[in-house]
Amino acid sequence: QSALTQPASVSGSPGQSITISCTGTSSDVGSYNLVSWYQQHPGKAPKLMIYEVSKRPSGVSNRFSGSKSGNTASLTISGLQAEDEADYYCCSYAGSSTYVVFGGGTKLTVL
Amino acid sequence: EVQLVESGGGLVQPGRSLRLSCAASGFTFDDYAMHWVRQAPGKGLEWVSGISWNSGSIGYADSVKGRFTISRDNAKNSLYLQMNSLRAEDTALYYCAKDRFGELDAFDIWGQGTMVTVSS
Repeated sequence: QSALTQPASVSGSPGQSITISCTGTSSDVGSYNLVSWYQQHPGKAPKLMIYEVSKRPSGVSNRFSGSKSGNTASLTISGLQAEDEADYYCCSYAGSSTYVVFGGGTKLTVL
Repeated sequence: EVQLVESGGGLVQPGRSLRLSCAASGFTFDDYAMHWVRQAPGKGLEWVSGISWNSGSIGYADSVKGRFTISRDNAKNSLYLQMNSLRAEDTALYYCAKDRFGELDAFDIWGQGTMVTVSS
């Protein structure tokens, strides 16, 4: 059982937009703007896509965007492309006791 | 090129110990916090432990607290994870990850991982 709750799977057609939710609590997502998102292709290491809720690292497509409302963070991918098919994980700082929590991951299928 | 290379994984019996290492290159190692994140076969990511740039702040997941010890040697650009009293549930691919800052922010560079299998 993961600390952050994500849907197990989402899907969309090329060109469409999808949103992946990440629900935490007032002790993690709701209290800190240290939510990040990672993309992982099969057999590969994770890749940072979004940090500090909504910021994109250099080199990450602007089709990827992040937001947060209350205890729920979201990752939106617009203009879906075949190469976006991957697993996506959210992550949040959770205070000096628990420190870091991940979501269970969401498998994105591009139809 | 910024790079993290893990080593030290392998097959180990329950109750035994193992020490993982992570060699960093291509960036100023002692400017950044570092972390270990693991992934059991077919499962999601689990943060294991993190250490600030100067080792002044250290954290552990509840699942490994008291059994694992993280450390770093800034002179050698290296991160370590001493794993004691290993259990079957510790079986996973262990990733070394660089933080964006000296304290926790996000993991912007990942190694390829080293596999740890705990089995008799």
